[in-house]
Amino acid sequence: DGGITQSPKYLFRKEGQNVTLSCEQNLNHDAMYWYRQDPGQGLRLIYYSQIVNDFQKGDIAEGYSVSREKKESFPLTVTSAQKNPTAFYLCASSSSFGTGKYFGPGTRLTVT
Amino acid sequence: GDSVTQMEGPVTLSEEAFLTINCTYTATGYPSLFWYVQYPGEGLQLLLKATKADDKGSNKGFEATYRKETTSFHLEKGSVQVSDSAVYFCALGIQGAQKLVFGQGTRLTINP
Repeated sequence: DGGITQSPKYLFRKEGQNVTLSCEQNLNHDAMYWYRQDPGQGLRLIYYSQIVNDFQKGDIAEGYSVSREKKESFPLTVTSAQKNPTAFYLCASSSSFGTGKYFGPGTRLTVT
Repeated sequence: GDSVTQMEGPVTLSEEAFLTINCTYTATGYPSLFWYVQYPGEGLQLLLKATKADDKGSNKGFEATYRKETTSFHLEKGSVQVSDSAVYFCALGIQGAQKLVFGQGTRLTINP
């Protein structure tokens, strides 16, 4: 079955540590996205990538970094510079830029 | 700027009741409109979409009609089930744009 995989489902880190969230898709989609969801709020775009080796900042990119070395993979690193990293992180992909997106199951990151 | 406003939740209904979740939008272009559903602890799933005025999206008994004159995309279902309990997000996307703009989400609880 085609889909988006995010791992792990729950992640715990100490403040000051960088952490990398995994996102893999086997849908052969060109575009991939990272969103952040906070309680009672909608989703906010962190980074997106239209093609391999290219990515752009979204609305809240500060304190995050990404890479897109392979079409199927779009890992997100939450750095120690991110002031409020505890959140639910959702990865998404789409067949072409701007079309309806398919979301992964999410990773809940808790930083203490 | 582009924005989406949803009715505030939480919404609590009895099984077999009629559901309406209001969604209005502001957009500078000609957006596509989406409803996503998020079940507890999971990522978002695309529920339905409409790409132009007067289009009706439908799926799993849910419907929404793209009303350009009222800039609305209200979600309706004639008879809800306990399994419909989830958070529902209205979103808009501009073709060629890099992101979806989400509403804040409406939590729906259906009691047996």
